[in-house]
Amino acid sequence: AQSVTQLGSHVSVSEGALVLLRCNYSSSVPPYLFWYVQYPNQGLQLLLKYTSAATLVKGINGFEAEFKKSETSFHLTKPSAHMSDAAEYFCAVTFQGAQKLVFGQGTRLTINP
Amino acid sequence: EAGVVQSPRYKIIEKKQPVAFWCNPISGHNTLYWYLQNLGQGPELLIRYENEEAVDDSQLPKDRFSAERLKGVDSTLKIQPAELGDSAVYLCATAQGGSTDTQYFGPGTRLTVL
Repeated sequence: AQSVTQLGSHVSVSEGALVLLRCNYSSSVPPYLFWYVQYPNQGLQLLLKYTSAATLVKGINGFEAEFKKSETSFHLTKPSAHMSDAAEYFCAVTFQGAQKLVFGQGTRLTINP
Repeated sequence: EAGVVQSPRYKIIEKKQPVAFWCNPISGHNTLYWYLQNLGQGPELLIRYENEEAVDDSQLPKDRFSAERLKGVDSTLKIQPAELGDSAVYLCATAQGGSTDTQYFGPGTRLTVL
């Protein structure tokens, strides 16, 4: 069965600092991995997606994530945080032929001025 | 292109009352999902449709929850009767194909049961 663990339910960084949100997955078959962002009172929006092509995936709003099979990780990074990045971020995993996408618990990102 | 539309956005009801949520998918999206999102948690799948067929409803509490997707387009999710523990956000998402395809989410319906 697939599962996702997001380390840190709350991350706080200063504006302009590096953003690093951690995601580790468990999957017995090659995974497809997603990062979604959720702003207050809105639905989830796709940031980026790994589908077994390039291991470094670039997404919207300057975010990127690197798939590391040896570490079973798919951490999300952004070099310089903006105030508008404050939101809830969800990592999710599935695989070819699966019935569903499995989400992590989420990480709330706060940006300090 | 219009996104996934959900209504109502907010609903407050007394316990034991019925409630229904509606979802209109992105045009051409054959797969439709209903998720439950509790506060501070990730979405959890309730039911998945491929066209009008419910292909995964294993997580749907069938004693009080029901769903339908007539004609493989719009979908409704119903709770009858509602319980206090049903207070949550109900999200609808749609995709062109299977679980590896990007899911597009609606804004959700926030349900409060008093």
